[in-house]
Amino acid sequence: QSVLTQPPSASGTPGQGVTISCSGSGSSIRSNYVYWYQQLPGTAPRLLIYRNNQRPSGVPGRFSGSKSGTEASLAISGLRSDDEAVYFCASWDDRLSGPVFGGGTNLTVL
Amino acid sequence: QVQLQESGPGLVQPSQTLSLMCTVSGASITSDNYHWTWIRQPAGKGLEWIGRISSSGSTSYNLSLKSRVIMTLDTSKNQFSLRLTSVTATDTAVYYCARGDYGGNPFFDIWGPGTLVTVFS
Repeated sequence: QSVLTQPPSASGTPGQGVTISCSGSGSSIRSNYVYWYQQLPGTAPRLLIYRNNQRPSGVPGRFSGSKSGTEASLAISGLRSDDEAVYFCASWDDRLSGPVFGGGTNLTVL
Repeated sequence: QVQLQESGPGLVQPSQTLSLMCTVSGASITSDNYHWTWIRQPAGKGLEWIGRISSSGSTSYNLSLKSRVIMTLDTSKNQFSLRLTSVTATDTAVYYCARGDYGGNPFFDIWGPGTLVTVFS
């Protein structure tokens, strides 16, 4: 049981946009930054978004993050087949005194 | 270019101790700017933060694993290690080492490829 809640799956067609949600609590998302990771099959996760909406160098502008209250979202525009991956959200949890993750959302590009 | 590489036994017997090493290249583990972190992922499941160690050797562990985890630095080899005692089948997972920011937030910008550890008799 993950501390942050994500839908297990999402899908879209090439060129479309998709949004993945991440639900937390007052001790996690409401009070702290949200981070997003992309995990391609058989590889380690890759940092996609940090501090709610910042992109590391090399991450395309098609990926954007937002946060409101205890909810966060990752938006992907202009879907491509190589966006097929599992996406994880993460945040610090004040009550648990450590980083926590969502269970992951498996994105399928139809 | 900073790279991390996990190493250690792929099989561990129940009740024994899991020991992994992470070798860091392209950066010094004594840098004040980073924590060095272990994260694990059971097959088909989500990520779990195990703990971190700073350049000075101070540690912070997941409360659910704290009684069984020890992390150490080996500055002479630019490595950091994970020991997890009294393992059970639920500790079977891919174990990743990663570089995290000093603030402790889940900002993990460099990851090792991961190593699968299976607990079975």
